[in-house]
Amino acid sequence: DILLTQSPAILSVSPGERVSFSCRASQSIGTSIHWYQQRTNGSPRLLIKYASESISGIPSRFSGSGSGTDFTLSINSVESEDIADYYCQQSNSWPRTFGGGTKLEIK
Amino acid sequence: QVQLQQSGPELVKPGASVRISCKASGYTFTSYYIHWVKQRPGQGLEWIGWIYPGNVNTKYNEKFKGKATLTADKSSSTAYMQLSSLTSEDSAVYFCARDGHYYGSPFDYWGQGTTLTVSS
Repeated sequence: DILLTQSPAILSVSPGERVSFSCRASQSIGTSIHWYQQRTNGSPRLLIKYASESISGIPSRFSGSGSGTDFTLSINSVESEDIADYYCQQSNSWPRTFGGGTKLEIK
Repeated sequence: QVQLQQSGPELVKPGASVRISCKASGYTFTSYYIHWVKQRPGQGLEWIGWIYPGNVNTKYNEKFKGKATLTADKSSSTAYMQLSSLTSEDSAVYFCARDGHYYGSPFDYWGQGTTLTVSS
């Protein structure tokens, strides 16, 4: 199974700051990584697909980058509504796996 | 618009079985895979398996073989997941999700989740 390691576990930032989430894969997966946002008691919501492709309806402050084993999700200017857990997920092979998540807190 | 509507919360006793449903609307049910994902309290996401309603083919995470059984009813556009021999380790929120129709697609639509509590 492909292991996805997300770091850090918790990020604390002030509104308006730029923040980056890291996801590292245990083996090369090209760009087969997707990012989700999950607010408290909510369902995951797709933010970025295939490492860097944008999703209709998702604010432009969200962006993604990376390939191979190292991937990054960035929020350009954090807003209070961005408080959530963020997960990466690989679709390179079975079983599909998710990272352990990063919790975003607002100072 | 695409919607996945899941059944309500379940409280079941250890050793019992439970079936959770996921009713799809707003798209052609038989043309997209439905996946199931487990989330234990305060934990991350775990992929259980998929079913393709068009031919009812299935694929499971090895970890959930023997625990989960996926089925689908084309007539009602509903996918089901049965969980058997329940223990406290099965207490979790279970989500159904649709993928984007192509191999390697992300999960683009999710149900609201069904909370399962296993307790005597």
